[in-house]
Amino acid sequence: DAGVIQSPRHEVTEMGQEVTLRCKPISGHDYLFWYRQTMMRGLELLIYFNNNVPIDDSGMPEDRFSAKMPNASFSTLKIQPSEPRDSAVYFCASSLSSRDLYFGPGTRLTVT
Amino acid sequence: AQRVTQPEKLLSVFKGAPVELKCNYSYSGSPELFWYVQYSRQRLQLLLRHISRESIKGFTADLNKGETSFHLKKPFAQEEDSAMYYCALRRTGGFKTIFGAGTRLFVKA
Repeated sequence: DAGVIQSPRHEVTEMGQEVTLRCKPISGHDYLFWYRQTMMRGLELLIYFNNNVPIDDSGMPEDRFSAKMPNASFSTLKIQPSEPRDSAVYFCASSLSSRDLYFGPGTRLTVT
Repeated sequence: AQRVTQPEKLLSVFKGAPVELKCNYSYSGSPELFWYVQYSRQRLQLLLRHISRESIKGFTADLNKGETSFHLKKPFAQEEDSAMYYCALRRTGGFKTIFGAGTRLFVKA
């Protein structure tokens, strides 16, 4: 298994543009989490899904952020419009029945 | 509210010296505590969990409910221990894991 897969690995975009980050969890895992990592705040939980259903999105910073999980093998995190303060590393993680988290390599987002 | 505090952003020690990475938490219920580690150019991964009471790569961590702490310790640091370390908390039986801000450990030769 290749583990959790995220794409793109790096994204540079201009302020105001739409950004879509993608995640493929480990096959068979029923939980999927999106985290944001910054120097100041560390790892923040944005949203998590159970069996493709969003359970807790209280960490989503603003309405500009949205996340979907149309099926068990794919999730997206969208930022529209993007702002420079959204620059961070975004991690996707999956787990089986909420046991250990398995993280993807992350997407480094830079908004200029 | 749940909160995990790692007071040190950066910790630098010499090889062979003891190391302690501090973690304090705030939670009213029964928590599960974890340490995750991210080595250079590697994925964030679980290092150890308090319920296992295990030693991984020479690291141990004891949950002190009285002091609400879960400090990570190693008696003799190695250069390969240099990494970013995150303390994390989850409600027992829960699904949501929250992390501290992380501590970067540098082990100097």
